[in-house]
Amino acid sequence: NAGVTQTPKFRILKIGQSMTLQCTQDMNHNYMYWYRQDPGMGLKLIYYSVGAGITDKGEVPNGYNVSRSTTEDFPLRLELAAPSQTSVYFCASSYLGQGEETQYFGPGTRLLVL
Amino acid sequence: GDSVTQMEGPVTLSEEAFLTINCTYTATGYPSLFWYVQYPGEGLQLLLKATKADDKGSNKGFEATYRKETTSFHLEKGSVQVSDSAVYFCALSGRNSGGSNYKLTFGKGTLLTVNP
Repeated sequence: NAGVTQTPKFRILKIGQSMTLQCTQDMNHNYMYWYRQDPGMGLKLIYYSVGAGITDKGEVPNGYNVSRSTTEDFPLRLELAAPSQTSVYFCASSYLGQGEETQYFGPGTRLLVL
Repeated sequence: GDSVTQMEGPVTLSEEAFLTINCTYTATGYPSLFWYVQYPGEGLQLLLKATKADDKGSNKGFEATYRKETTSFHLEKGSVQVSDSAVYFCALSGRNSGGSNYKLTFGKGTLLTVNP
């Protein structure tokens, strides 16, 4: 049981490039989330998904896109990288049922846009 | 909207010292409250949680009590160790009478360094 896995661990992008951050969970969780963590700012929700085929915006969705074709996978797409997207990105998942709300986090992807 | 305010860091303690990290919240409905810990270079891990007023969450010697009257969820540990050095995040998951609100709202985090 690997939990939540993310790839890559670290990436450098040039301004205007695109990339996809991968996230997979093997806990059969229905909810999945993408957060970004900026120094001293806590975590901000980018997008979330309540199940396969259903996604919605969080607090800071601009510049990102997501899809959820399976229960396990929730990739985050950056189409035109900007320096403001330099951050650490965390994927998380949870099972919402009977009041269980604990989110389980992946190890993160550190992204540097130059 | 929902918000979490936690003690500004960094906090530096000697081993075996008493730890308190303050956390207060603003939320509508009946939130669940969480403390997450982030060790260097890792993702966040759930440390403890409480789902209703007066509940006490505890784990690894850490404790926090859900105080609705003061809207607080302060983290405490009686004797910290070097291995407790990490960033600690307070968070809430707001709920209303209709059920769970899945969105977590985080505080900014408090860096704890414990020296031998």
